Amino acid sequence: DVKVTQSSRYLVKRTGEKVFLECVQDMDHENMFWYRQDPGLGLRLIYFSYDVKMKEKGDIPEGYSVSREKKERFSLILESASTNQTSMYLCASTPARRTGELFFGEGSRLTVL
Amino acid sequence: DQQVKQNSPSLSVQEGRISILNCDYTNSMFDYFLWYKKYPAEGPTFLISISSIKDKNEDGRFTVFLNKSAKHLSLHIVPSQPGDSAVYFCAADADSWGKLQFGAGTQVVVTP
Repeated sequence: DVKVTQSSRYLVKRTGEKVFLECVQDMDHENMFWYRQDPGLGLRLIYFSYDVKMKEKGDIPEGYSVSREKKERFSLILESASTNQTSMYLCASTPARRTGELFFGEGSRLTVL
Repeated sequence: DQQVKQNSPSLSVQEGRISILNCDYTNSMFDYFLWYKKYPAEGPTFLISISSIKDKNEDGRFTVFLNKSAKHLSLHIVPSQPGDSAVYFCAADADSWGKLQFGAGTQVVVTP
């Protein structure tokens, strides 16, 4: 079974802090994604990566950056956390071949005070 | 502007009856559609999908119907079971990179 592991299930940070969310997948998938889930808005794509060191902006990249130094690891960085970044963050991966099916981690609930 | 819309935020259904979840989309470039199921404190899990070249796909109790002319799809769950209580997300793909557009979700509650 594919396993996507997010390092922190719950985080509480203060406004202005730098936040790192880590994601690791164990199935050698080329594509990795960061989404955020908010009530009434569903899941919105922040960034995705289709290869090591490659990244592309999603629909809501403002205030975020990402890093993919190794194929299995995709990190989401909030340079200066703000209260409107309080959300559930979901990492996902998928093989390069076309399936459309994403494999999600369990999510990281971030609260910014 | 959301390209995938689920206009019913919640649905309550009796155990054994049919659950029908609806989804509308606006982007005619979408060619692959998926449904995901999400329990609280867990990540979404894939449920069923359909390509735009089909109008129906069935997997056990779950059937997805696609009406391309109306830009509408629906998920039928028959019979509904208590374990089906979850949030269901409709999603669509246009470019094969897996960059899915999701709807807002529908909370399904199956009552005994």
